[in-house]
Amino acid sequence: DIQMTQSPSSLSASVGDRVTITCRASQSISIYLNWYQQKPGKAPKVLIYAASTLQSGVPSRFSGSGSGTDFTLTISSLQPEDFATYYCQQSYRALRTFGQGTRVEIK
Amino acid sequence: EVQLVESGGAVVQPGGSLRLSCAASGFTFEEYGMHWVRQTPGRGLEWVSLISWNGGTIYYADSVKGRFAISRDNNKNSLYLEMNSLRNEDTALYYCVKEQVGGVPYFGYWGQGTLVTVSS
Repeated sequence: DIQMTQSPSSLSASVGDRVTITCRASQSISIYLNWYQQKPGKAPKVLIYAASTLQSGVPSRFSGSGSGTDFTLTISSLQPEDFATYYCQQSYRALRTFGQGTRVEIK
Repeated sequence: EVQLVESGGAVVQPGGSLRLSCAASGFTFEEYGMHWVRQTPGRGLEWVSLISWNGGTIYYADSVKGRFAISRDNNKNSLYLEMNSLRNEDTALYYCVKEQVGGVPYFGYWGQGTLVTVSS
């Protein structure tokens, strides 16, 4: 199975901060990498797919980059509604795997 | 509007069995691969199983292989997960998920989840 490792596991940030979350795959997955946001009590929702394609309706302050094994999710200016947990997920293999999540908290 | 509604979650003893269902609407169910994904506080999100549009291709996570069986009924727009030999570590919120495909597959729509608790 492909292992996905996110860092950090949690971070504290202020409104307006630039936030970067990284995700590393245990083998090359090309651009088969997706990012999800999950708020408490809600199902995850996709933010970015294919490493850098913004899902329709997602604010442009979210962006993704990377290919191969190293990927990044960036929030250019953190907003109050962005405090949540973020997960990366690979779809290179049929056996899909998620990163362990990054919890973004208010400083 | 795409809707996925899971049901069947319950409290069950270790070694027991349970069948989860997912009722789909708002899209042409028979055209899409479907997944089960589970979530626990301690282990985050864990992919469980995938079934192709016609049921001809099926995959399982190693943690459930041999114990769980995914199936679908395209005439009823329904997805199922038969869970046997349940263990404490199967305790989780189970989500039914619709795959979006147009290049790189991703989980496009999620249900609200159904809770399975394995406990004596």
